[in-house]
Amino acid sequence: DAGVTQSPTHLIKTRGQQVTLRCSPKSGHDTVSWYQQALGQGPQFIFQYYEEEERQRGNFPDRFSGHQFPNYSSELNVNALLLGDSALYLCASSSEQGAVDEQFFGPGTRLTVL
Amino acid sequence: AQRVTQPEKLLSVFKGAPVELKCNYSYSGSPELFWYVQYSRQRLQLLLRHISRESIKGFTADLNKGETSFHLKKPFAQEEDSAMYYCALNDGYTGGFKTIFGAGTRLFVKA
Repeated sequence: DAGVTQSPTHLIKTRGQQVTLRCSPKSGHDTVSWYQQALGQGPQFIFQYYEEEERQRGNFPDRFSGHQFPNYSSELNVNALLLGDSALYLCASSSEQGAVDEQFFGPGTRLTVL
Repeated sequence: AQRVTQPEKLLSVFKGAPVELKCNYSYSGSPELFWYVQYSRQRLQLLLRHISRESIKGFTADLNKGETSFHLKKPFAQEEDSAMYYCALNDGYTGGFKTIFGAGTRLFVKA
């Protein structure tokens, strides 16, 4: 089991563009959470998906949206990119059937907005 | 509002010295608190959670509701403990949860 995987590793976009980041959860996990980590900061919760629905959301604008597929993988979409969206985006998975609070993190996608 | 505060950005200690990484929280209700660690070039991983009351790699953390603190301690630091440490709390379980992280403390253990 490769654990949580994310793609791409790095991404460079310009202001106003749109971006899609992808996450595959750890085998057996059904819940995916997304975080934004700016330089020198802790991860900030964006939203959480379970059963293909968003069920928790942090303080992020509607430009941030997501999706979860039947195989539990997930996408994070960001529209109308701003310079301030430059950050490391982390995906974490967990299981409703196991230790609900035990999250496994992916390596992250580094997004740079120019 | 729920918040996690780690007052020290950097903590430097000598090998064999005791170490304490501070964490304070603000939460209405009974919090579920965690410490996560990120070693160099590795992904973020769970170190310990308060509900388990366990010791992992010699680290312990006690929840003090009166002081709203969850400090991480180790009596004798090792060089391999050098890493970034994040204190976090989980908000809500029914209908999902969100994890709130502190800004992190970088621990540097000198030989």
